[in-house]
Amino acid sequence: NAGVTQTPKFRILKIGQSMTLQCAQDMNHNYMYWYRQDPGMGLKLIYYSVGAGITDKGEVPNGYNVSRSTTEDFPLRLELAAPSQTSVYFCASRTPTGTGTYNEQFFGPGTRLTVL
Amino acid sequence: AQKVTQAQTEISVVEKEDVTLDCVYETRDTTYYLFWYKQPPSGELVFLIRRNSFDEQNEISGRYSWNFQKSTSSFNFTITASQVVDSAVYFCALSEARLDSSYKLIFGSGTRLLVRP
Repeated sequence: NAGVTQTPKFRILKIGQSMTLQCAQDMNHNYMYWYRQDPGMGLKLIYYSVGAGITDKGEVPNGYNVSRSTTEDFPLRLELAAPSQTSVYFCASRTPTGTGTYNEQFFGPGTRLTVL
Repeated sequence: AQKVTQAQTEISVVEKEDVTLDCVYETRDTTYYLFWYKQPPSGELVFLIRRNSFDEQNEISGRYSWNFQKSTSSFNFTITASQVVDSAVYFCALSEARLDSSYKLIFGSGTRLLVRP
């Protein structure tokens, strides 16, 4: 299993540009999450999904959109990039409730985004 | 509201010293989960441990040990005989049970550990 994969690894955007951060997992996890990590800070939840077709806002959703058309993919969309969105973005997925390791979130390698 | 506090921003020790990373949490739930993650300089997040609120037993895994005390709302992490490879940022996180089973993670701000040779 590749686990959780994210593309791209790095990206520089100009203010006002848009982009989609890709996230995929091959572990058949229903639950997926997007977090952002600002310099010197912990991670904050942007959006999450409990299954295909179901998404919900986290702590810091403004400026982002998500979709979940398949179990495997959970892309994060930035429509009008702003300097405040400069951050490292992590995608994660979680083992199903009822399994031995449930509630453990597996993280992707991250995408480092700079908005200038 | 849920909150995780890691008051130690940065700790520097000499190799082979023992070091304890503090974590204090706030929650109104009786059912919750606590985690520690390691973020090495390469940037990925590595899961270290999960504890649930009903299990206050301390845990030891090699040089790592965790002390969970509900009375003080703390979940501290100790590295014995630290090594240079332990240098990383360590995050404590809290997750509460929710009706949608989302188990969203609330992270502390992290403690940067530097182990000097």
